Amino acid sequence: SQKIEQNSEALNIQEGKTATLTCNYTNYSPAYLQWYRQDPGRGPVFLLLIRENEKEKRKERLKVTFDTTLKQSLFHITASQPADSATYLCALDKDGGATNKLIFGTGTLLAVQP
Amino acid sequence: DTGVSQNPRHKITKRGQNVTFRCDPISEHNRLYWYRQTLGQGPEFLTYFQNEAQLEKSRLLSDRFSAERPKGSFSTLEIQRTEQGDSAMYLCASSLGDRGEGYTFGSGTRLTVV
Repeated sequence: SQKIEQNSEALNIQEGKTATLTCNYTNYSPAYLQWYRQDPGRGPVFLLLIRENEKEKRKERLKVTFDTTLKQSLFHITASQPADSATYLCALDKDGGATNKLIFGTGTLLAVQP
Repeated sequence: DTGVSQNPRHKITKRGQNVTFRCDPISEHNRLYWYRQTLGQGPEFLTYFQNEAQLEKSRLLSDRFSAERPKGSFSTLEIQRTEQGDSAMYLCASSLGDRGEGYTFGSGTRLTVV
């Protein structure tokens, strides 16, 4: 069956450390993968996209990697701050680039302690 | 243009009543998506439109659910004969529809069926 899995347990880290979140998928062949941030009671906010032919993407303190062999994406936040505390969702295109329709993981809650 | 707007933000209804939600996407976006999210889960795909055409409906969307996007602008999602299991956050998103374009989500409509 098709699955997208993210760390189900909350990730607690100290301010200033690097947070690493994992997204694994099975039985999909996505053309790209996206990461979103969601705060309580709000809609997700788009952060980064990485395509199947890209190994790594960076934006300010954020870095995403994409390994299509392992079927895994890693999302890193360097020099983390309490304001980074939120749920982070990975999403991939279900139809291999044909429709831009996204399927989301369950999300990982990140808590950055001051 | 201030982003994707959803109304109402909250709706409490009695079981068996009909409810309708509205989504106003970013004006130049031709793709519009509806998702449903329950506590602790990622958004689940319901349906999407390209302009006024409804291209796909999830099997999650029973016959009690209907969505429209007249003239390819705003969209409505109607739930008839609501059930307690319909209680969730209903999220609308829009995108330009280009390959890999990130979604812009609204803040959602929180439905509670009592």
